[in-house]
Amino acid sequence: DSGVTQTPKHLITATGQRVTLRCSPRSGDLSVYWYQQSLDQGLQFLIQYYNGEERAKGNILERFSAQQFPDLHSELNLSSLELGDSALYFCASSPRFYNEQFFGPGTRLTVL
Amino acid sequence: GQQLNQSPQSMFIQEGEDVSMNCTSSSIFNTWLWYKQDPGEGPVLLIALYKAGELTSNGRLTAQFGITRKDSFLNISASIPSDVGIYFCAGQSGNAGNMLTFGGGTRLMVKP
Repeated sequence: DSGVTQTPKHLITATGQRVTLRCSPRSGDLSVYWYQQSLDQGLQFLIQYYNGEERAKGNILERFSAQQFPDLHSELNLSSLELGDSALYFCASSPRFYNEQFFGPGTRLTVL
Repeated sequence: GQQLNQSPQSMFIQEGEDVSMNCTSSSIFNTWLWYKQDPGEGPVLLIALYKAGELTSNGRLTAQFGITRKDSFLNISASIPSDVGIYFCAGQSGNAGNMLTFGGGTRLMVKP
């Protein structure tokens, strides 16, 4: 158990819908990262937050957004969902002065 | 963008054999991380490398940070059935936050 929690574990929805994925980092970690894992693209970085502020952005679609709240949990919002958005979405957190990232169990999103 | 080439893509070995896998990059990284992922689970951190030439062990696992800073290697000695899974290398350049760039993974299968 990495100490990073993610909910829900599974999510099935229809095209055009909007969903919210939730992540709680390890106790004391200020940074939260979101990654997408799909069969054709592998593990891809989406976005990073540090202590409530956006720190870095990867190949995140405009339909996707995220935020980190004062209690440091983070949410990833996916809207106007398409079939191709079906993937595993992982959250990771890292300690303040270290580069190691610890991953949560993921949310499997299926768009029908 | 940065690309990580991980090889081999898959390995089918006999229990007790040693395993080697590697990652190469077209760009320099400041940190190399190795993860193992079981089906339906999040990646679990195995080893972190911070310095060119560094050799680090974690039980039967040994990883090295290449001196050019563009490659890394992971060795598993005396493999056992629970080593089955997908192993990922990940590099971190330190630019634009601490995002990880992942290799495509090595799927390890162990025959008892």
